[in-house]
Amino acid sequence: QVQLQESGPGLVKPSQTLSLTCTVSGGSISSGRYYWSWIRQHPGKGLEWIGYISYSGRTYYNPSLQSRVTISLDTSKNQFSLKLSSATAADTAVYYCARSGIVVVLFDYWGQGSLVTVSS
Amino acid sequence: EIVLMQSPGTLSLSPGERATLSCRASQSVNSNFLAWYQQKPGQAPRLLMYAASSRATGIPDRISGSGSGTDFTLTISRLEPEDFAVYYCQQYGSSPWTFGQGTKVEIK
Repeated sequence: QVQLQESGPGLVKPSQTLSLTCTVSGGSISSGRYYWSWIRQHPGKGLEWIGYISYSGRTYYNPSLQSRVTISLDTSKNQFSLKLSSATAADTAVYYCARSGIVVVLFDYWGQGSLVTVSS
Repeated sequence: EIVLMQSPGTLSLSPGERATLSCRASQSVNSNFLAWYQQKPGQAPRLLMYAASSRATGIPDRISGSGSGTDFTLTISRLEPEDFAVYYCQQYGSSPWTFGQGTKVEIK
């Protein structure tokens, strides 16, 4: 059974970089069959896909966030990470990591979510 | 970007009743690549349906999906206590992949 777990600071100051890591267990992140995504949910709102990374390190980002987002991979630790620069209060959200297929981007496994608040 | 609009925002029903949730896309969804997720408080979303009408593993047959093009529907034929939750549609036919804003099914 694949499990994903987010970790990182719950509080980030405005203008700083929001950083989160997702640790994957029960399966290898190096499998060529999946994309590894970040998705966020603003308080009481819907879901927003941020971007994904493939096993080879290829990335694709939501154009609305592309200028501030970096997703990277650490296969030795079976982890992938999110960095969102120049954070503002509008980036306050629950951040989820999730797995999808590469043929169809359906999210079948999710982490439990990590609340990040951007505030001074 | 395809915008998904879900209605109603909230559905107040009793256990045993039928729930009908709508998801309308701003443009046609390629290959009817439309999915539905269920989210309960404090939990991550759970995949229910894909390709508009196919159930994910372990999803009971009282939950069904239909539709094509720009109009899609999720139907729960007889609400069980565990069905009261928020439901989101997601299109995966064209990038960026987008979600609707959700429909909350609450106990009347």
